[in-house]
Amino acid sequence: GIQVEQSPPDLILQEGANSTLRCNFSDSVNNLQWFHQNPWGQLINLFYIPSGTKQNGRLSATTVATERYSLLYISSSQTTDSGVYFCAVESGYIPTFGRGTSLIVHP
Amino acid sequence: SAVISQKPSRDICQRGTSLTIQCQVDSQVTMMFWYRQQPGQSLTLIATANQGSEATYESGFVIDKFPISRPNLTFSTLTVSNLSPEDSSIYLCSVDKTPYGYTFGSGTRLTVV
Repeated sequence: GIQVEQSPPDLILQEGANSTLRCNFSDSVNNLQWFHQNPWGQLINLFYIPSGTKQNGRLSATTVATERYSLLYISSSQTTDSGVYFCAVESGYIPTFGRGTSLIVHP
Repeated sequence: SAVISQKPSRDICQRGTSLTIQCQVDSQVTMMFWYRQQPGQSLTLIATANQGSEATYESGFVIDKFPISRPNLTFSTLTVSNLSPEDSSIYLCSVDKTPYGYTFGSGTRLTVV
């Protein structure tokens, strides 16, 4: 099946810093999403982005489908950004999740 | 996108008992997905539930342990049977609402003692 690799696995930032999270995938995909899992376990859909670039406030994402990667940018990070960020790709109809990037933002 | 109500949000269960998790969607969906997230791990798909047919289970998951019901296009249940401490996980349901992508329920945090 399709492989999804996320990097870095762990990230620690000071409030106000910027960061880039990466998702590499091994095959063509129909869909790619970025999720934020908060400390209570809830998964929040950040972006549905099979290709191109999208922005939502301090967050933006870019997917280059031909090169099989996606990037999630977090600018001016806040403590509420802490949690785990997952990339999920869909090849067929079942999404496959990466192992996630655990982000801690210190005040 | 869809809104999913998942219950219970958490539970503590004794070994050997069962827990049934419910997911209610605010619109009709063809497929519903059930995931398990073990502590510190990513999400693993348990099964796909279609209305009117038996669920399709992924490798390593069996119907006797994880029976699923899908009585209509807005509702599904997952039962985790014969609980052991290894079943302690977060269980999540999900639906696909193209073009918005996948939406998840708020999760059920299960602890088996």
